[in-house]
Amino acid sequence: EAGVTQFPSHSVIEKGQTVTLRCDPISGHDNLYWYRRVMGKEIKFLLHFVKESKQDESGMPNNRFLAERTGGTYSTLKVQPAELEDSGVYFCASSQKTLLAGGTDTQYFGPGTRLTVL
Amino acid sequence: AQSVTQLGSHVSVSEGALVLLRCNYSSSVPPYLFWYVQYPNQGLQLLLKYTSAATLVKGINGFEAEFKKSETSFHLTKPSAHMSDAAEYFCAVSVGNTGFQKLVFGTGTRLLVSP
Repeated sequence: EAGVTQFPSHSVIEKGQTVTLRCDPISGHDNLYWYRRVMGKEIKFLLHFVKESKQDESGMPNNRFLAERTGGTYSTLKVQPAELEDSGVYFCASSQKTLLAGGTDTQYFGPGTRLTVL
Repeated sequence: AQSVTQLGSHVSVSEGALVLLRCNYSSSVPPYLFWYVQYPNQGLQLLLKYTSAATLVKGINGFEAEFKKSETSFHLTKPSAHMSDAAEYFCAVSVGNTGFQKLVFGTGTRLLVSP
């Protein structure tokens, strides 16, 4: 079974340009998460989809970031226009269960996209 | 708010020595705790997780962690380090309402293993 995949693995863009990151979750996983790690700091939550619906986007930095998950399969994260502080590694994760009565589910991570804004 | 603190951004050990990576958590409710590992040029891989079933949790590659409520700790250990253990390790706590959970990570600890 294929794991979580992300594309591209690296992206170098100029300040003010637009970049779109893609994440393909594990097949059958309803939950999809985006996280980001800025250099030297902790990995931080950006947002969470359940199928095609955004359940929690409290971690999105500002309105330059737009995430979509059309059809509830793959997801894209667009940064427009990119700023220097957007540089970092963007991770996508997916999990299978939607928890109804407590408990927790394992999130499986992709290899990340390293974004460099010059 | 729930959080985790990892003590030491870098830990160096010799091959064959004990590995101890520290993680302390802050949580007002019984936490779900995780250790992830990131090998060079790879994604995060789950090592083990604590979900209240047992306080001593065994994971992959010989790692284990013990949940100690009195110390609010979830330290990761391995009796004998191997060169292949060199990686960055992340402690995380799961937060959120039932059904909608996200992970809050520590800052990570890079494990260096010398021959």
